[in-house]
Amino acid sequence: DIQMTQSPASLSASLGETVTIECLASEDIYSNLAWYQQKPGKSPQLLIYDASSLQDGVPSRFSGSESGTQYSLEINSLQSEDAATYFCQQHHDYLTFGSGTKLEIK
Amino acid sequence: QVTLKESGPGILQPSQTLSLTCSFSGFSLSTYGMCVGWIRQSSGKGLEWLANIWWNDDKYYNPSLKNRLTISKDTSNNQAFLKITNMDTADTATYYCARSGDYGGYWFAYWGQGTLVTVSS
Repeated sequence: DIQMTQSPASLSASLGETVTIECLASEDIYSNLAWYQQKPGKSPQLLIYDASSLQDGVPSRFSGSESGTQYSLEINSLQSEDAATYFCQQHHDYLTFGSGTKLEIK
Repeated sequence: QVTLKESGPGILQPSQTLSLTCSFSGFSLSTYGMCVGWIRQSSGKGLEWLANIWWNDDKYYNPSLKNRLTISKDTSNNQAFLKITNMDTADTATYYCARSGDYGGYWFAYWGQGTLVTVSS
């Protein structure tokens, strides 16, 4: 089974700042990774697929990248509406989600 | 406009079988590359993928739950279904159905609102 280790579990940042959330795959997943945003009481929303492709309608301040088995979600120019929990999901071997990162806006 | 909506019993007892329905609109599950999946989330916890069904009726199950899961679809009525046998209190969760991206893929571009299932005696 492929394990996705997501970090940090939570973080707090100020409006306008840039934050990075990471997922480390236990083996090569060949860019088969998506990122989701989930706000309290809501369903997850797709942000990024294929590690770095921006889903239609998602603001360009969200971006995805990879380095080996490490995948990153970067959010630039933080807005208040970015307060949410973020999950990664690999789909190279079955589908598994990371444990989530709760982002608080100061 | 793509929409999905889950429906289920709300509450059931341990050892019973859970039957969930995903009713959708705005696409056809007979379209090449299309996929509907089921994902659950325990209160305050992470997401756990359960199963996928494709346009060609291929099925894909979480190996840790495979023996308990059955996914199916009714293309003519725009519905997908999931059955989970031998439910336990640990299966209490919000259950989501979701659809793949516009050109297929193994990610979920559209999600339903979720349906809460509580397992309790």
